[in-house]
Amino acid sequence: EDKVVQSPLSLVVHEGDTVTLNCSYEVTNFRSLLWYKQEKKAPTFLFMLTSSGIEKKSGRLSSILDKKELSSILNITATQTGDSAIYLCAVVKAGGTSYGKLTFGQGTILTVHP
Amino acid sequence: DAGVTQSPTHLIKTRGQQVTLRCSPKSGHDTVSWYQQALGQGPQFIFQYYEEEERQRGNFPDRFSGHQFPNYSSELNVNALLLGDSALYLCASSLERSNQPQHFGDGTRLSIL
Repeated sequence: EDKVVQSPLSLVVHEGDTVTLNCSYEVTNFRSLLWYKQEKKAPTFLFMLTSSGIEKKSGRLSSILDKKELSSILNITATQTGDSAIYLCAVVKAGGTSYGKLTFGQGTILTVHP
Repeated sequence: DAGVTQSPTHLIKTRGQQVTLRCSPKSGHDTVSWYQQALGQGPQFIFQYYEEEERQRGNFPDRFSGHQFPNYSSELNVNALLLGDSALYLCASSLERSNQPQHFGDGTRLSIL
């Protein structure tokens, strides 16, 4: 059975801190790993990592895929209160349809205090 | 550019009733996926629709069924509601044969009393 595990489950930091969120996966025929941010409702897309794109960066956020260790990390530097959210990791398998079933981890709840 | 829209926003039902949730995909998208997100959990895949057919299905009972219309919008139907069906139901859309990730709607919060 496909499995995605995130750690830690929750994290409380102060503004300006740097955080690292972890995601490990066990899936057959891995295709890509995605990170989403969920504040109140809709998960919003952050990054997609594949064999041809194992490192992504956008502003204070960056992510790396380690295909050997079957894991990924999401780094957030100089955290702000607006970074408070649930961070979701999901994997997509190769074969079949394009971007079909997303298998999600349970999420990491990040709280950033002023 | 309209994103993914879902209706209703909130819904309260009692055990045994049935419910229909609706989703309009992002403009230009043709594939719709449904997810159930229980409190404190990540979303769980229910099923995906493309060309008006169910293409993939997650580990959900037959009480969960769906439909996709020619304009790509979709419905999720749940019969014989159980307390455990209380959750946020998310719809995501994408474009088949594209290299783009799924876009999510704000979801429908379903509460079963």
